[in-house]
Amino acid sequence: QQQVKQSPQSLIVQKGGISIINCAYENTAFDYFPWYQQFPGKGPALLIAIRPDVSEKKEGRFTISFNKSAKQFSLHIMDSQPGDSATYFCAAGGATNKLIFGTGTLLAVQP
Amino acid sequence: DAGVTQSPTHLIKTRGQQVTLRCSPKSGHDTVSWYQQALGQGPQFIFQYYEEEERQRGNFPDRFSGHQFPNYSSELNVNALLLGDSALYLCASSTWANEQFFGPGTRLTVL
Repeated sequence: QQQVKQSPQSLIVQKGGISIINCAYENTAFDYFPWYQQFPGKGPALLIAIRPDVSEKKEGRFTISFNKSAKQFSLHIMDSQPGDSATYFCAAGGATNKLIFGTGTLLAVQP
Repeated sequence: DAGVTQSPTHLIKTRGQQVTLRCSPKSGHDTVSWYQQALGQGPQFIFQYYEEEERQRGNFPDRFSGHQFPNYSSELNVNALLLGDSALYLCASSTWANEQFFGPGTRLTVL
């Protein structure tokens, strides 16, 4: 029940395209869902996060869509750029914000 | 405003040795969480410190211990190192139950 399942494992997108990464969770006690971006040799950087009281949140080219009934959430990267090439992790947290991470998606944006 | 800092950057130890990793949280943050990230995997929660006490613990053996100081900085200690302890160790800081910001990590190699 503590798992967060993330897909796909890897993704190749053309410059200017839309990158979509999906996550699913089981524990209904989760109430905080962040996305992190990680470059090789660096720590994860917080991109955007959502709580279950809204179904969508947008910050610049990054959008989280959240489906509470399906226990799924996704990250959309619009107008993907080569600089977006990185590993993306979804995560889920509860009241004390212990984060459970997905397994990661390696995104490659081709110029 | 300095972000989360960690030291050392890299560390090489041999099996059976002990190691201490250090973390300074982002200014204004009072909660420190430690994560272990094996190569190609998502971060795994080790434990969390708040008000100088361990508040939560993940599924890690007692060989992993920690401490938080009055200035909110923290240490992670690992005793009796195993080859499987080789990983990137990440520190994340936050205010209680809010967004977590990660440091660059310490790369530990156990030979």
